[in-house]
Amino acid sequence: LAKTTQPISMDSYEGQEVNITCSHNNIATNDYITWYQQFPSQGPRFIIQGYKTKVTNEVASLFIPADRKSSTLSLPRVSLSDTAVYYCLVGDGMDSSYKLIFGSGTRLLVRP
Amino acid sequence: NAGVTQTPKFQVLKTGQSMTLQCAQDMNHNSMYWYRQDPGMGLRLIYYSASEGTTDKGEVPNGYNVSRLNKREFSLRLESAAPSQTSVYFCASSEQLAGGPSYEQYFGPGTRLTVT
Repeated sequence: LAKTTQPISMDSYEGQEVNITCSHNNIATNDYITWYQQFPSQGPRFIIQGYKTKVTNEVASLFIPADRKSSTLSLPRVSLSDTAVYYCLVGDGMDSSYKLIFGSGTRLLVRP
Repeated sequence: NAGVTQTPKFQVLKTGQSMTLQCAQDMNHNSMYWYRQDPGMGLRLIYYSASEGTTDKGEVPNGYNVSRLNKREFSLRLESAAPSQTSVYFCASSEQLAGGPSYEQYFGPGTRLTVT
């Protein structure tokens, strides 16, 4: 499974767009990119998954360049409740168990 | 639907004691997972079960055993607890989609375990 690198922490203000970039230089052809959100004392929550180009859902957008060596999670107009840890993960699309390997994540603090 | 439930929520053990953490899901998912999360760290996979009747080791299986009792339930057992196993334990489940891989796992609320 490819290793990921993401910033340890980020600060933002309410109403701003937040972009968290993740590096995964050794991503393999079959790997998918997934992002999770975790609040204190809770289990992680799935945000979005993508393979290439751009994926958007009601919560976030995921931008993946053509070489797929990095990806950017975009959170539009964040609020205080978006303060959490965000994990970027790369998984093997050929593994039927779809295991996830979590790194340390990015701690996002949204200020009023 | 309750989703993924875990019992107990909290537990304190003495070194050498044993216990079983219970996990159940009501979403009819095939795959189930056990993770541990140490303070300030990401989650680490202990064991997983891709489908009923199968279990496999994850990153950190030493000191643990698992049982996939049926499709709904996946238990984690500590035979002889050690202080290094003090952690928060999360159970998760996921479905395998016919249209391609899905990494959307549903997590339980966690069990906070302290071993003294």
